[in-house]
Amino acid sequence: AQTVTQSQPEMSVQEAETVTLSCTYDTSESNYYLFWYKQPPSRQMILVIRQEAYKQQNATENRFSVNFQKAAKSFSLKISDSQLGDTAMYFCAYVNQGGSEKLVFGKGTKLTVNP
Amino acid sequence: NAGVTQTPKFQVLKTGQSMTLQCAQDMNHNSMYWYRQDPGMGLRLIYYSASEGTTDKGEVPNGYNVSRLNKREFSLRLESAAPSQTSVYFCASRSGLEQYFGPGTRLTVT
Repeated sequence: AQTVTQSQPEMSVQEAETVTLSCTYDTSESNYYLFWYKQPPSRQMILVIRQEAYKQQNATENRFSVNFQKAAKSFSLKISDSQLGDTAMYFCAYVNQGGSEKLVFGKGTKLTVNP
Repeated sequence: NAGVTQTPKFQVLKTGQSMTLQCAQDMNHNSMYWYRQDPGMGLRLIYYSASEGTTDKGEVPNGYNVSRLNKREFSLRLESAAPSQTSVYFCASRSGLEQYFGPGTRLTVT
């Protein structure tokens, strides 16, 4: 079974600085997708960024980018120019391509952006 | 488009009571999911439905039943609530590989 591990339960960063959240996963599959979800205090789950395993290029979405290391099974999220609105829980998630497409989530990292 | 809606948003139950959490999506998605979120545990899959008329167990199905009433609606039922079922429950539907989540239901069982 696939597992996703987020080793940092909590992190903090100063406004305008850069922070990196870590995620590792375990799978024997070769075709899969990885995601980072944001959950602000409102509780809504928001997709931040996704990465296809077959793509070598790291995904970017504005201030958010990933460092995808397939051989190391590592998928970290970098947030540049952190803003107060980035304060949230961040979840790393994995899904196999094909089959039932069930997401497997990590336990989350609570990020606080300080003014 | 309302996306994925869930009712109720909050609920308090006594041990042994039953209730049904409702979920509906207006995006014409085939697949729908129920998760629970507990502190320090992330989201865990309870049940999912790949299409209308089909359901299957996820990681933590004990104590729950589901019904895929039609393509839009996927309900989660607690027949005899237990304090261990105190949690936040999320419904989601899927398009391609992206899941769209509802706002969640915070359930407390006393």
